[in-house]
Order: sequence, then C-alpha cells, then structure tokens
Amino acid sequence: GEDVEQSLFLSVREGDSSVINCTYTDSSSTYLYWYKQEPGAGLQLLTYIFSNMDMKQDQRLTVLLNKKDKHLSLRIADTQTGDSAIYFCAERNNAGNMLTFGGGTRLMVKP
Amino acid sequence: KAGVTQTPRYLIKTRGQQVTLSCSPISGHRSVSWYQQTPGQGLQFLFEYFSETQRNKGNFPGRFSGRQFSNSRSEMNVSTLELGDSALYLCASSLELAGGNEQFFGPGTRLTVL
Repeated sequence: GEDVEQSLFLSVREGDSSVINCTYTDSSSTYLYWYKQEPGAGLQLLTYIFSNMDMKQDQRLTVLLNKKDKHLSLRIADTQTGDSAIYFCAERNNAGNMLTFGGGTRLMVKP
Repeated sequence: KAGVTQTPRYLIKTRGQQVTLSCSPISGHRSVSWYQQTPGQGLQFLFEYFSETQRNKGNFPGRFSGRQFSNSRSEMNVSTLELGDSALYLCASSLELAGGNEQFFGPGTRLTVL
C-alpha cells in the first residue's frame, strides 16, 4: 500500500530557514499537501502542489517536488517561534479525496 | 465563511458504549472525510462521503460507521467502544469529489474511552 515517511524532529534557530522532507511511494499521487498542527488543535492547510509541478512558492513557504524520486520538501523562510508545531505531509491519489499522511515532523524553533 | 465545525469537542465514554460525532462542512462543500489520529498509529483515513454516499472506506472494523445528510453534514458512529478507540477524530471538508484540491480540517473531537 501507499506509504509516506517523514523525519521525526527538526530544530532551528529563529530567523533561519527550515526544510522539512517527505518521501512517498504512490506513483499515482495527484496532489501533495502540507499541514500544520499546533497542540490541541486540528490540521491547518499550509499549501499543496499538483503532481505535474516541481515547485510552488507562497510567501515564506516553498514546496519542492521531485516526482522521479518521490520526494517532497517544505522550506519555511525566516522561521519564527510561532512556526513551532508538527508538520504533516500527505498525498492524494485518484481515488477520491482520501489522504495518506506521514507521521509528522515536530519543528522546534529556538529564540 | 465559517470553517469546518465538529461537535462535541470533547467526549468521555466507557468501554462498550457507543458514540456519535458530528461534522458540519464549509458551506457549499459536498465532500466530508473522517480521520482518526492516535499517538501510535498517526492519522488514518476512516471514510469519505459525497452527496450522501460513502465513496471510500479505510481499514477499520465495522464498529465504525458514518453517514451524510442532504445538507452535507456528516456523522460518524462507533459502537461497542474499546480503550483503543481513544483518539482525536478529525473531519475534513472539500468542495467536490476528486476535482477539488483543498481539504480543510475541523478542530476535532477528542474521545476518551475509560
């Protein structure tokens, strides 16, 4: 079945860039998503990329997609303490709206 | 425009009981999906409804069921609760089946089974 993998933890200093990586196995993925989850809250959609794109930029967020290697990354520029959260990547294939999530990367931003 | 709402936000039940959770999607959205989030298993897909029909189902036992009403509101039911059903249950709303590419999540219902 489909599998999505993420590293567990990332620590950066405030003002630096953060890069969160994700790999997936489903070659029929159509959309790939990044969500943010703060303690006690639901998932906040940050950005998404269609599988025929290789890059998408949205303010401080840059998504890179290497479809050949099935590798997705999220770069957060000028990381702030408010960016501390768990970040999930997710993929959606052609079978409706079902998302397969990675295990999440906990981002800690040090002042 | 109001976001996805879920009720109740917190629930405590005992083993063997049943529970019903409710999700109201964003106005105009016709697809509602449900997910279970636990520390051990992460986020797992339960089922998806579109226009009152279940379109996809995850790998969960038959104790987990759901439905969608004509106004797109959805409910999920868990019967004969087990301790392992303790989780955050999230629903997601999307504009249309397959074509829509943004899925928005509600705040979740935290279920504790004692």
